[in-house]
Amino acid sequence: DAGITQSPRHKVTETGTPVTLRCHQTENHRYMYWYRQDPGHGLRLIHYSYGVKDTDKGEVSDGYSVSRSKTEDFLLTLESATSSQTSVYFCAISEVSGVFFGQGTRLTVV
Amino acid sequence: DAKTTQPPSMDCAEGRAANLPCNHSTISGNEYVYWYRQIHSQGPQYIIHGLKNNETNEMASLIITEDRKSSTLILPHATLRDTAVYYCIVRSMEYGNKLVFGAGTILRVKS
Repeated sequence: DAGITQSPRHKVTETGTPVTLRCHQTENHRYMYWYRQDPGHGLRLIHYSYGVKDTDKGEVSDGYSVSRSKTEDFLLTLESATSSQTSVYFCAISEVSGVFFGQGTRLTVV
Repeated sequence: DAKTTQPPSMDCAEGRAANLPCNHSTISGNEYVYWYRQIHSQGPQYIIHGLKNNETNEMASLIITEDRKSSTLILPHATLRDTAVYYCIVRSMEYGNKLVFGAGTILRVKS
């Protein structure tokens, strides 16, 4: 599993509330990614990071922010959750041999 | 990143070889072919990757045509647990370059 832990694994939250998802890795990987997966859309990149305090937007970044203050943690924040952000969120890290994924966080916004 | 084309779905009998095709006609010289699979609601799982030579590991074999415009993932003896969505992705050699997913192929292994 490339030492990736996502937390929480499941969360239900109300519309308009802030939510932070955490991705933790133990193997000092430089590159980390957040994807979301929805029926009919496959996996889409939200944000990614290429080092501490270095982040960039992916294809579906609106409504999301990220932070990387330590190598091991990449946080995804929904400042004000909306029902359209109900999804499964996957964190990933990059090695020379490829990209490896966590087990996902299922977020439901009601 | 180059785009890939895969059939939306395929069926395979249990115990038989599953051959999953992928077209990547616009692949550039520094791009690898990667295969991932995703079993329902789990994170995508890395299977194999290659540049131009055929590759084999404990999970599968990857056959890349000489012109590199297409490839085939082979699961030599498919089991019911191989039922999943299989993604063919091209990715540059640049370390840290992100993966761009298409729709993939739903492989159904049937007994």
